[in-house]
Amino acid sequence: SAVISQKPSRDICQRGTSLTIQCQVDSQVTMMFWYRQQPGQSLTLIATANQGSEATYESGFVIDKFPISRPNLTFSTLTVSNMSPEDSSIYLCSVGGPERTEAFFGQGTRLTVV
Amino acid sequence: KNQVEQSPQSLIILEGKNCTLQCNYTVSPFSNLRWYKQDTGRGPVSLTIMTFSENTKSNGRYTATLDADTKQSSLHITASQLSDSASYICVVSQTNDYKLSFGAGTTVTVRA
Repeated sequence: SAVISQKPSRDICQRGTSLTIQCQVDSQVTMMFWYRQQPGQSLTLIATANQGSEATYESGFVIDKFPISRPNLTFSTLTVSNMSPEDSSIYLCSVGGPERTEAFFGQGTRLTVV
Repeated sequence: KNQVEQSPQSLIILEGKNCTLQCNYTVSPFSNLRWYKQDTGRGPVSLTIMTFSENTKSNGRYTATLDADTKQSSLHITASQLSDSASYICVVSQTNDYKLSFGAGTTVTVRA
């Protein structure tokens, strides 16, 4: 199993500002995933973060808006840049998941942009 | 179009009663199906994971079923408790793919 510490748990931000979300895992993992969960909707994969290489972004998400860092095998950050009210959502980091391995999630960051 | 559809979107049940949640998927080739429980303000926590050859799996009062032929799964909650109030998410993974397909979840509210 993996224990993921994600922070902040929630924040209220002014539009035009940026917020960096941190995710710390208690074990070394190759891949870390960042998701967005909008109210009443499925989790949507933003990007996959691999240590030592640039993150891989899904369609509809770009690095300038959601820059990601992965400095080592236990840590990653996601920044939500130049925020607008449409960015209000829950952001989750996750590890594991492929095939028969388990997927573990952080507690989530509830972001409100005003 | 989402490859994982859940129903109902939400339901309210009385404490002590049973309920069943449904999940239909079109993900292929299928690897496994998982049910997660997500409490408000928390990340999803795994309840069960089933592969192609498994058709039922239990975790306490939670019992999941899988029919890989019809691509349907259900999650049955027995003798519901107030702490069962949460969103239940069905997640399907493909063979040889690290990406997961998520349902939108069913919000369960248990009332005393």
